[in-house]
Amino acid sequence: KQEVTQIPAALSVPEGENLVLNCSFTDSAIYNLQWFRQDPGKGLTSLLLIQSSQREQTSGRLNASLDKSSGRSTLYIAASQPGDSATYLCAVYAGNNRKLIWGLGTSLAVNP
Amino acid sequence: EPEVTQTPSHQVTQMGQEVILRCVPISNHLYFYWYRQILGQKVEFLVSFYNNEISEKSEIFDDQFSVERPDGSNFTLKIRSTKLEDSAMYFCASSHYEQYFGPGTRLTVT
Repeated sequence: KQEVTQIPAALSVPEGENLVLNCSFTDSAIYNLQWFRQDPGKGLTSLLLIQSSQREQTSGRLNASLDKSSGRSTLYIAASQPGDSATYLCAVYAGNNRKLIWGLGTSLAVNP
Repeated sequence: EPEVTQTPSHQVTQMGQEVILRCVPISNHLYFYWYRQILGQKVEFLVSFYNNEISEKSEIFDDQFSVERPDGSNFTLKIRSTKLEDSAMYFCASSHYEQYFGPGTRLTVT
């Protein structure tokens, strides 16, 4: 059964720091992996989708990598800003119907 | 840009009542999903729907739950007799390849 774990559970950093969020999954037979952002009490905003054949994806200050063989993905945020404060969720596409299996998220606070 | 919409944004209901959560997926998508997120917990898969039938459902999706695509645009989730533990945020998603999510419906069962 696929399990997704995210470390750390919470992170507090000063503005301007570069940071790395980690995601691990137990079954390497995934289709794709997607990173989302969730603000408190709000919906799910897609940040990056990494296809199974890709090693990384970039969007602005965000870079996500995928290593299927080791069951890991990282989300790198460069030059963090207070507006980046949110929960970051990792989810893998699994099974024939490609349902998403989710991690619990990393709660990020960027302090001015 | 096309988007998934959900109504209502917030629903309050009494225990034992039936609720219908509505979603309008992106028009050319073929796969539809419902997920839920209980406060402080992981987002959980409920059900996937393809070609007018359920393609997969989780253990959570018991006989109290049903889904329907009554016309060419809407995709609904019905909970027949709500329980306190059904209180959660419910998200609809549609996909052709990547899943796109609606803003969610917050269901509060009192």
